[in-house]
Amino acid sequence: EAGVVQSPRYKIIEKKQPVAFWCNPISGHNTLYWYGQNLGQGPELLIRYENEEAVDDSQLPKDRFSAERLKGVDSTLKIQPAELGDSAVYLCASSISRGKLFFGSGTQLSVL
Amino acid sequence: KNEVEQSPQNLTAQEGEFITINCSYSVGISALHWLQQHPGGGIVSLFMLSSGKKKHGRLIATINIQEKHSSLHITASHPRDSAVYICAVYTGTASKLTFGTGTRLQVTL
Repeated sequence: EAGVVQSPRYKIIEKKQPVAFWCNPISGHNTLYWYGQNLGQGPELLIRYENEEAVDDSQLPKDRFSAERLKGVDSTLKIQPAELGDSAVYLCASSISRGKLFFGSGTQLSVL
Repeated sequence: KNEVEQSPQNLTAQEGEFITINCSYSVGISALHWLQQHPGGGIVSLFMLSSGKKKHGRLIATINIQEKHSSLHITASHPRDSAVYICAVYTGTASKLTFGTGTRLQVTL
């Protein structure tokens, strides 16, 4: 069975450009998370979905970040416009409710 | 003070040594994860536990709910165990994970 799939693996953009990340969770996993992780730090939650509903987006910088999870399966995280401080690894994870977490390999974003 | 504290922050061990990484938390939890992250790699969930002890290969995880403490043990450590080990807890009734800052383990030959 495929794990959590994220793309792209790496992305380099100039500041003020838009960028989007895609996540395909494990089939049947109703809960999907997007995390941001800075070098040397633990992941920080950006948004959590239960099916198609965003149930916790309190840490998402809504002025520039947006996310969607159409039909409660795949999800997209977008940044527009990107800033230098957005350089980080963006991780997607999925689970069945509060069960074991499965992480994707992450997207490493560099904003120049 | 962070809700989830790990110790040590950095750990260097020689191959074959027994390793212990500790995690203490200050809030009520429903479950605790131990995660492993290799440099440049994604995160792998090693254990999810809410009581007692779990074992998988050379890895053992224990949790003491009353003392709000968990430990991850690695027996017969190997250089491929070199990674960052992260403790994360589910708090309250929401599926919200709070992460520790991680323990960076380096196992040398």
